Order: sequence, then C-alpha cells, then structure tokens
Amino acid sequence: DVKVTQSSRYLVKRTGEKVFLECVQDMDHENMFWYRQDPGLGLRLIYFSYDVKMKEKGDIPEGYSVSREKKERFSLILESASTNQTSMYLCASSFWRNNSPLHFGNGTRLTVT
Amino acid sequence: DQQVKQNSPSLSVQEGRISILNCDYTNSMFDYFLWYKKYPAEGPTFLISISSIKDKNEDGRFTVFLNKSAKHLSLHIVPSQPGDSAVYFCAAITNTGTASKLTFGTGTRLQVTL
Repeated sequence: DVKVTQSSRYLVKRTGEKVFLECVQDMDHENMFWYRQDPGLGLRLIYFSYDVKMKEKGDIPEGYSVSREKKERFSLILESASTNQTSMYLCASSFWRNNSPLHFGNGTRLTVT
Repeated sequence: DQQVKQNSPSLSVQEGRISILNCDYTNSMFDYFLWYKKYPAEGPTFLISISSIKDKNEDGRFTVFLNKSAKHLSLHIVPSQPGDSAVYFCAAITNTGTASKLTFGTGTRLQVTL
C-alpha cells in the first residue's frame, strides 16, 4: 500500500511566522503535490513537483513556496503566515505516467492566529 | 473560475437505495475523470475513474457514467451502505507533459441513513 505521511496533523502558528509542512511518500513516486481544502471550494492545487528540484505552480501559489531535495520528500513553506492561510493542507503523490491516480496523506490542519 | 462543479453540497439516501452524485465540467480538454471519497480526518482515497473514450465504467457497487456532449458525469452507488457516508469529490485530469494535474470539484457530502 502507498503511504503518504504528513508530519503534523494539527499546527497552530502566529501571523508572520515561517511555517514548514513536510510530506514523505514511500512508493518511489515521481510526482508530488500540495493541495489545500476549504469549505465550499474543494481541493485547490498550490504547487506540484515532477522530479527532484523541479517544481511548478498550481492554481493558487501566492504566499507559498516548495522544496524537493529528495524524491520521497516534498515540503510546503509559508514564508510569512497569514490568517487566510488557515486551512487543511493535503499532500499527494503519483507515478509519472498519464492518468495515474493521486494518493493522499491524511492532511495537516493549520490554524494561523 | 470553477472548471469542475458539484452543484449539490449534500445528499441523503436511505440504506439499500441508489445514490447518484453529479458533476459538471467546462474544460473540453479534460480527458480523464476520477471520483475520490473522503472521510473526516483522512485524506481522499481514489474510488473509480473513467476515460473520455468510454461512457461507463463499473466496479462492484460503483458505476461512473460520462456524457461528453453534456460535459457531465455521475457516480452511482447501488446499494448504498452506511459506510458510504463521506464527502465525494469528482476530479478531472489535465496531462501537462510533466505530470497529471487534477482539478477537483467542491464535493458532495453523502449521508446514508438506516
């Protein structure tokens, strides 16, 4: 079974703090993704990576950056957290081939106060 | 600009009956569609998919129908069970050449009652 592990289930941070969300997958997947889930908006893609050190912007990249130094690990960085970044963050991974389903972690609920 | 829409935020169905969840999309470049199921405090899990060259795909109690001309797909669950109570997301794939990007709908919360 694919396992996608997000390091924290819950985080509470203050406005202006730098926040790191970590994600590790154990299936040697080439692609990794960060989504956020908000009520009434579904899941929206923040960033994705198709290879080590490669990244592409998703639909809502503003206020975020990412890092992929190793194939199994994909980090989401909030440079200066703001209250509108309070959300559920979901990491996912998949194989490189077309139409490969995404496998998700259990999510990190981030609250920015 | 919501390219994948689920217009029913919630649906309640009796156990044993059919559940029908609907999804509409606007981007004609989408050529592969998936349904995910999400329980509270868990990540979404893949349920079933369909290619645009088909109009139906079946897997046990779950069937997905695709009407390309109407840009509409639906998920049928027969018979519905209490364990099916969850939020269901439809998603559409854009193949960028580097990765398959999923665009998700807003979700429909299904409640299966006894």
